Amino acid sequence: DTEVTQTPKHLVMGMTNKKSLKCEQHMGHRAMYWYKQKAKKPPELMFVYSYEKLSINESVPSRFSPECPNSSLLNLHLHALQPEDSALYLCASSFRDTPTNTGELFFGEGSRLTVL
Amino acid sequence: QQQVKQSPQSLIVQKGGISIINCAYENTAFDYFPWYQQFPGKGPALLIAIRPDVSEKKEGRFTISFNKSAKQFSLHIMDSQPGDSATYFCAAKGGGSNYKLTFGKGTLLTVNP
Repeated sequence: DTEVTQTPKHLVMGMTNKKSLKCEQHMGHRAMYWYKQKAKKPPELMFVYSYEKLSINESVPSRFSPECPNSSLLNLHLHALQPEDSALYLCASSFRDTPTNTGELFFGEGSRLTVL
Repeated sequence: QQQVKQSPQSLIVQKGGISIINCAYENTAFDYFPWYQQFPGKGPALLIAIRPDVSEKKEGRFTISFNKSAKQFSLHIMDSQPGDSATYFCAAKGGGSNYKLTFGKGTLLTVNP
């Protein structure tokens, strides 16, 4: 199983709503990531979890709140978003980088978020 | 110093032709250079990757050429097919336990039948 599964695939929310994006992997990866991708742009790193602990926060606004309940699951809680937050949100996972692993990222298909 | 510069921004190739996408970097601490392929509405998928101690890596029709002294690397797609039409991102990963991938801005490849 080499999949990263993201739900929902599409989400429309108002600026006062609270919603969550979910990500799941069963590859035994211990690093998980949230990326944001705008149209025709590369993915931008938001958060990195390593062994269920937040290791990188790329100065993301607090209206985005990540959570890693266990080694297979990653959530992104959304609250009071702005229309400019509309984007494709990508989850990814990887093994820890070691001499035998490259730290290759496996991406999910993304959750397309529209904020009205 | 964290940038990866990718060119061209877009590329149109005839079926059967060779597609070439170039990337350049400054940070000598980068230790892993992957290329990702992304189709519309999908997440990026790893296509091929190289370590800086190797000058070339080939997988099927896809080849990475790596020039460590020039701090440049490129993707060559031989016998390009319409199904190769996608956006291609080069990337570079920081060394050691630095998980961060720095992406190029992407190249939209169109292969005409």
